Amino acid sequence: EADIYQTPRYLVIGTGKKITLECSQTMGHDKMYWYQQDPGMELHLIHYSYGVNSTEKGDLSSESTVSRIRTEHFPLTLESARPSHTSQYLCASSGPYRGLLGYEQYFGPGTRLTVT
Amino acid sequence: KNQVEQSPQSLIILEGKNCTLQCNYTVSPFSNLRWYKQDTGRGPVSLTIMTFSENTKSNGRYTATLDADTKQSSLHITASQLSDSASYICVVSDRGSTLGRLYFGRGTQLTVWP
Repeated sequence: EADIYQTPRYLVIGTGKKITLECSQTMGHDKMYWYQQDPGMELHLIHYSYGVNSTEKGDLSSESTVSRIRTEHFPLTLESARPSHTSQYLCASSGPYRGLLGYEQYFGPGTRLTVT
Repeated sequence: KNQVEQSPQSLIILEGKNCTLQCNYTVSPFSNLRWYKQDTGRGPVSLTIMTFSENTKSNGRYTATLDADTKQSSLHITASQLSDSASYICVVSDRGSTLGRLYFGRGTQLTVWP
């Protein structure tokens, strides 16, 4: 069982509100990721970080922003939530490179966000 | 374009029966292939991982196969249990990515009925 945590697990919020989804890991991993997943669809990478003070946008354009001030913490923020942001958000982290096994990603339990 | 396609999209079987899920990929250069299990409302959990030199890998009642020449993989579940009901996701990594980028399939939604 990976030590990666996300809060809240479920969030229902009105349009226009600012929200922050929390993600923390206790494994000391440098790389962290945020994915967005809609029902029946594949995970899409929206943000990633190589380490402290490093953040990059992923493949899927997102209006959210992230920060990485501490190794263990990688929060995602939406300044003004809209119904189109309704989705499941998954956080992951990966440890050191393992040759052909690559980087093993460990996923948190996810946050189910509903914007009304 | 790097892609991962899975079939079937969904599957219903009776408890105790076996089933096989399929995955085709075009990711290149190939590094490894993982099968994840994702329970509803949870994050994916790794079941097996195979590099290009491995043909089969087992984890309890789960057995994954890989044909790197045809770029196909399968996940066989033996003697299914109600707790096997979940989405099974095929995930492929490319070689040389310093990010550890993963390419995800859409998953096969398996439902096991009593």
